[in-house]
Amino acid sequence: DTGVSQDPRHKITKRGQNVTFRCDPISEHNRLYWYRQTLGQGPEFLTYFQNEAQLEKSRLLSDRFSAERPKGSFSTLEIQRTEQGDSAMYLCASSLETGGAEQYFGPGTRLTVT
Amino acid sequence: GNSVTQMEGPVTLSEEAFLTINCTYTATGYPSLFWYVQYPGEGLQLLLKATKADDKGSNKGFEATYRKETTSFHLEKGSVQVSDSAVYFCALSDRGGNQFYFGTGTSLTVIP
Repeated sequence: DTGVSQDPRHKITKRGQNVTFRCDPISEHNRLYWYRQTLGQGPEFLTYFQNEAQLEKSRLLSDRFSAERPKGSFSTLEIQRTEQGDSAMYLCASSLETGGAEQYFGPGTRLTVT
Repeated sequence: GNSVTQMEGPVTLSEEAFLTINCTYTATGYPSLFWYVQYPGEGLQLLLKATKADDKGSNKGFEATYRKETTSFHLEKGSVQVSDSAVYFCALSDRGGNQFYFGTGTSLTVIP
């Protein structure tokens, strides 16, 4: 297993368009997390899944954001009607289901909304 | 609520200098504490962690001790190298690992 992968690595889109990002976690990890990171800031938690169930959602996750993990493996994060403020790095991480377990991060998808 | 406050950077040190990056936290219950590092052009990776009070995490010459009485988890290294130049993030998770909270990051540059 080569770790957490994300696709695409970069996305440029016009304001108002929809975008979808994919994350493939480490295969034996049943937890998957999405974060947003802007320049000069740490990652901000968006949501997380345990298997296919979405268990936590941050208030940062507006109605334009939706995430799925249909079979408990890969996950998608969709942003509808993108706004310039959505420009950021979107990070995915996975971990085992144990308290104190470390998260393994993917390389991120950098979104630029023009 | 839970939060992490981290020493602001950037920090510039000469090779072999002593490093301290301060991190304090606010949490309910008994969180786990982490330091993550992001090298230039790479993703976040775990540097060290501690899951209960008085635990000391260590890796690659870095150390941090979970101090419940001062709600701190300061990162230290006795002798930094140029290859330690990176951004360092302090983070905490609740006991169940349901949410992670990251500090804003501290950029470290080590000059020869």
